[in-house]
Amino acid sequence: GENVEQHPSTLSVQEGDSAVIKCTYSDSASNYFPWYKQELGKRPQLIIDIRSNVGEKKDQRIAVTLNKTAKHFSLHITETQPEDSAVYFCAALKDSSYKLIFGSGTRLLVRP
Amino acid sequence: DGGITQSPKYLFRKEGQNVTLSCEQNLNHDAMYWYRQDPGQGLRLIYYSQIVNDFQKGDIAEGYSVSREKKESFPLTVTSAQKNPTAFYLCASSIQGFNEKLFFGSGTQLSVL
Repeated sequence: GENVEQHPSTLSVQEGDSAVIKCTYSDSASNYFPWYKQELGKRPQLIIDIRSNVGEKKDQRIAVTLNKTAKHFSLHITETQPEDSAVYFCAALKDSSYKLIFGSGTRLLVRP
Repeated sequence: DGGITQSPKYLFRKEGQNVTLSCEQNLNHDAMYWYRQDPGQGLRLIYYSQIVNDFQKGDIAEGYSVSREKKESFPLTVTSAQKNPTAFYLCASSIQGFNEKLFFGSGTQLSVL
């Protein structure tokens, strides 16, 4: 079955710097890759997603890139702000499986 | 927060006891899901339901049971067969399936007395 590995487990950056979180997946048939943000004590929320027919997607300070050949995808946050501090989860899905498999999460700390 | 509501926020289970976690949504979503979250781990799927009166096991269904008698409701029962139930439980819903945006509830923390 699908396996998703996420790195790093923790990431500390200075406010204004960029942050990059990487995930690899095992099933080459996976075709949908969402990213969820979970602030402390709150519910996970979808922040961006990408489908396998595109290589990059941007939404303001957030971008996701997908390399299908290498089977990895990354979340890029530019000009980080303290409110970006949270746990970020990547996930992968192949439509036929009806199972969204999550990575283990990255705790991002943005230092003021 | 509206949309999807979980209760209670905290729940304690005694040995040998079954407990039920509530999940209600008013988003008119067809699909609903239960995930378990353990510290330092990703979300793991327990059960999911794509439509009323139908549900399927996820990756860690042993020791859990669900029902889907109404579109709005997807309760999860943690049975005495679940030997390590202490975790944070998250309910979610989506318009159709996993390749749609999941809306999560605020979660229930279950602990064993």
